[in-house]
Order: sequence, then C-alpha cells, then structure tokens
Amino acid sequence: AQSVSQHNHHVILSEAASLELGCNYSYGGTVNLFWYVQYPGQHLQLLLKYFSGDPLVKGIKGFEAEFIKSKFSFNLRKPSVQWSDTAEYFCAVNPYGNNRLAFGKGNQVVVIP
Amino acid sequence: NAGVMQNPRHLVRRRGQEARLRCSPMKGHSHVYWYRQLPEEGLKFMVYLQKENIIDESGMPKERFSAEFPKEGPSILRIQQVVRGDSAAYFCASSAAGLSDTQYFGPGTRLTVL
Repeated sequence: AQSVSQHNHHVILSEAASLELGCNYSYGGTVNLFWYVQYPGQHLQLLLKYFSGDPLVKGIKGFEAEFIKSKFSFNLRKPSVQWSDTAEYFCAVNPYGNNRLAFGKGNQVVVIP
Repeated sequence: NAGVMQNPRHLVRRRGQEARLRCSPMKGHSHVYWYRQLPEEGLKFMVYLQKENIIDESGMPKERFSAEFPKEGPSILRIQQVVRGDSAAYFCASSAAGLSDTQYFGPGTRLTVL
C-alpha cells in the first residue's frame, strides 16, 4: 500500500544538538514533498517544500531537507536545535496530479534547555 | 492577512447528535480540503472541494459525513448521529490553485463525543 513513514515518533534532545528526522514514501512517479510543523497549541505551519530543482531545500528557522529520489526519502535536518523547536513535525507527500496530501504519523520532538 | 479560520476550536457532542464544523479559507483561495487526525495518527484526507463543487470525497466515510462549500460563506463539514469513534481533530486547509498547490492549514476543530 502507498504510505508515508516517519520513524522514531518521540525524539528528545538537548539544545545545540543536531536533529534529523527521516521520511520515506512508497509512491511512484513524480511527487511534491512537504514538512509541516505544529508548535504546542498552534496549527500546522509549512516548514519547507520540494517541487522540483535543487534536491536540497532550505526552509524557515534554519531547517533544511534533502530529497533523494533513489531512496524515496525526504529527510529533515537542523544542525543546532533550540528549545523553541519543541513541536510535532509531519512529513507529507502529494503525488503529482493529485489533490490530496498523504501524511506520516509525525515526530514529537522535545528539546531540553 | 488572515489565515485559514476554523470554528469552533473545540466541540463536545453526545452520541447521536450532529456536529457542524466550519472553515473559512485564506483570502483569495477557492480550494478547500478537510483532514481528520485520530489520536497517535497522522492526518488523513477526507474531501476536496471548490466553490459549490465536491471534487474528491474518496476519503470521506460513506455514511453520516457530508461536506459543502457554498458560493457564499464557509465550508461546512457535517457529521450526523456522531459516535465515540468520530472523536478526533478535524483540520481544514486551503490553496489558491488546485492540483499540487501548497495547502495552508487552519487551527483545527477538536471534536469530543461523549
């Protein structure tokens, strides 16, 4: 079945540590890829997106993600996290020509000051 | 520039009652999407609408659920005769264009069925 996989649902790390969240999908063909973030008590916000071009995408707040087509992956990274990065992070895939987003289950990230 | 608005933010219903969830898209957006998030799960697509048209309702349960996006006013997700299993967060998103355009999300409505 077509799916979006995010592993390590709960991640706890200290400030200044590096963060990497994995996202793998099983859709064939061309896809658009997204990472959304949900801060405590707030709504989903777009962190970054990939439609085409440079597979290394820069987003807001120092986040970046790399699309590796051969691995069907779109991993999210941040070199040095802050306490304010505590949030839930969702990877989403939009098969090209389709109107819906397919989401992973999310990563709950807690950054300890 | 107001984002996607949803109301109410929290809704409590008893089994058998009706729930109505409202979504006003971002200004200039005419495409609306509804998603449901069950506990410990990611968001699941329910329905995609444009003004006065349902484009894709393949994610919508066949019974008790309906959605509309009238010419005037917000989009409505209606759940009749709610059951405990309907308890979830319901998110609305909007986009300026259709296929493959970026979707922007509202704050969600958390429905609790007693």
